Amino acid sequence: GAVVSQHPSRVICKSGTSVKIECRSLDFQATTMFWYRQFPKQSLMLMATSNEGSKATYEQGVEKDKFLINHASLTLSTLTVTSAHPEDSSFYICSARDRVEQFFGPGTRLTVL
Amino acid sequence: GDSVTQMEGPVTLSEEAFLTINCTYTATGYPSLFWYVQYPGEGLQLLLKATKADDKGSNKGFEATYRKETTSFHLEKGSVQVSDSAVYFCALSGHNAGNMLTFGGGTRLMVKP
Repeated sequence: GAVVSQHPSRVICKSGTSVKIECRSLDFQATTMFWYRQFPKQSLMLMATSNEGSKATYEQGVEKDKFLINHASLTLSTLTVTSAHPEDSSFYICSARDRVEQFFGPGTRLTVL
Repeated sequence: GDSVTQMEGPVTLSEEAFLTINCTYTATGYPSLFWYVQYPGEGLQLLLKATKADDKGSNKGFEATYRKETTSFHLEKGSVQVSDSAVYFCALSGHNAGNMLTFGGGTRLMVKP
């Protein structure tokens, strides 16, 4: 099946710093990419949907200035957590969709000290 | 709106036991239904899917049948293994919502030797 990669897989940062997470579709062009957040022992919460070359659509309650999403090409989307705080610590999962199916990345665990 | 309800876990079974994880959904129209599996520390992997009523999805010994009359998509496996220990997510893709996935809360399965 199609492969979606995320980098880094794990990041630890100090409070107040910004962290960038990359999501790449390796063998297909993704018309749409999604960013999810998962709290421990909970389901995935959709944060935003992005289409290449356009602004991301954020879900209600997700701060767009806090979670910056850039979808510069059909194979790359980035999520930047700005001025991270301990409550932003979570597992972030990206997903990329071709015309038919949605594929998930392996996730990035962010820990903010 | 669309929603997915699945049984709460954790579900703890002995190796070779029979597994059922219940999933019911609410959606307008005719959604596609999915089961995803998440192994510890990883992203989601598609386990199986069904796109229309009475379809049976199957993979790695797991099965689920799309039952429109009961709006259900229960996951079953005849004989679980320790390696099946993971979190299982039921999801639907509603055509009215731009094919975005709606996830259930997830069910943690623990298989003991």
